Amino acid sequence: GEDVEQSLFLSVREGDSSVINCTYTDSSSTYLYWYKQEPGAGLQLLTYIFSNMDMKQDQRLTVLLNKKDKHLSLRIADTQTGDSAIYFCAEGLMDSSYKLIFGSGTRLLVRP
Amino acid sequence: KAGVTQTPRYLIKTRGQQVTLSCSPISGHRSVSWYQQTPGQGLQFLFEYFSETQRNKGNFPGRFSGRQFSNSRSEMNVSTLELGDSALYLCASSPTGDNSPLHFGNGTRLTVT
Repeated sequence: GEDVEQSLFLSVREGDSSVINCTYTDSSSTYLYWYKQEPGAGLQLLTYIFSNMDMKQDQRLTVLLNKKDKHLSLRIADTQTGDSAIYFCAEGLMDSSYKLIFGSGTRLLVRP
Repeated sequence: KAGVTQTPRYLIKTRGQQVTLSCSPISGHRSVSWYQQTPGQGLQFLFEYFSETQRNKGNFPGRFSGRQFSNSRSEMNVSTLELGDSALYLCASSPTGDNSPLHFGNGTRLTVT
């Protein structure tokens, strides 16, 4: 079945690293994504990783993928108050067309 | 390049009415997808269009429909609105809709009273 799970809430101090975790069930995922949603806004694509890769780094963002355990994580280095938002993990699946299956989102609160 | 544009941003309708939401994809993108976001169900796939054809539909009743025009712009329609249709409706576009990242608009927030 198609299911993506995330923890609901994470609180960190400004300047620390944040790690948001996600597990998924469908091994046929092609890409896995991280999106950010700020209040009143849509989804902003942060980064994504091909399912054959283990790691991807993009400035302050590091994505780790453990395909065997179907576990994905997003590390944000030097977390800033502007990083406070909801972060969604999603897996991309092809059936009749390409679609994303989203987790329920992790609310990140960055304390000054 | 302009992003995905959705109009209107906010809508208030009453039960039983119908509503049409509009989406203009990123220039050159031919695939448009729609998602519904609610506090209870999270983000759920509604449907996907490519070259004016619906290629995929999520698990939603027939009251939810859509279409795509030759310029790739898309509309979705919800008829006989119910209170449970209150949600943020998000449109996303991608070049071909095949294994490529989706870029989302800011959404239309629909409130049904």
